Amino acid sequence: GQNIDQPTEMTATEGAIVQINCTYQTSGFNGLFWYQQHAGEAPTFLSYNVLDGLEEKGRFSSFLSRSKGYSYLLLKELQMKDSASYLCAVRDSNYQLIWGAGTKLIIKP
Amino acid sequence: DGGITQSPKYLFRKEGQNVTLSCEQNLNHDAMYWYRQDPGQGLRLIYYSQIVNDFQKGDIAEGYSVSREKKESFPLTVTSAQKNPTAFYLCAIGDTGREYGSEKLFFGSGTQLSVL
Repeated sequence: GQNIDQPTEMTATEGAIVQINCTYQTSGFNGLFWYQQHAGEAPTFLSYNVLDGLEEKGRFSSFLSRSKGYSYLLLKELQMKDSASYLCAVRDSNYQLIWGAGTKLIIKP
Repeated sequence: DGGITQSPKYLFRKEGQNVTLSCEQNLNHDAMYWYRQDPGQGLRLIYYSQIVNDFQKGDIAEGYSVSREKKESFPLTVTSAQKNPTAFYLCAIGDTGREYGSEKLFFGSGTQLSVL
């Protein structure tokens, strides 16, 4: 079966750096997405990786290793507003999106 | 104001009742999706539509129905056959990028459906 694994919850301190990992086993691979979702709100798109390597976008970066079935989202200079759930999703060989359950990130002052 | 609009924000269903969730967009996108979100689980696809008057079942279509009579509208009906309807329902439109497969989703604000 297809599977996306992410930690359920993580805690970090304001101003610090946090890395949220995502591992996947899917039928084929056609890209990996990260979304941010604040409680009770809609997910919003953060990043897309289809080739190996690091994609940087301001305070957020996303890394992909296709051979290892692994990605991470790196958040720098954490702010209280970064408290949210972070969803990892992989597009499989049928171009269907497979979603992880999300990682709830708690930022403490 | 452009975007994707879901309504209502909260909805309550009585036993044996059908309820309809609205999803409207004015961004002229072809692809529209309905997802269900339950605590501790990933998003699950209910139905999707890539063109007017056509739609496809997703992974958990049983107990749900949709229509796509207009490009702008993709309503979801939760029927009485759906025995566990309590969930957060998200409508999304697909924004196709330059690369095939890079389509990213823009979501509506969601509808929380609860059973009375």
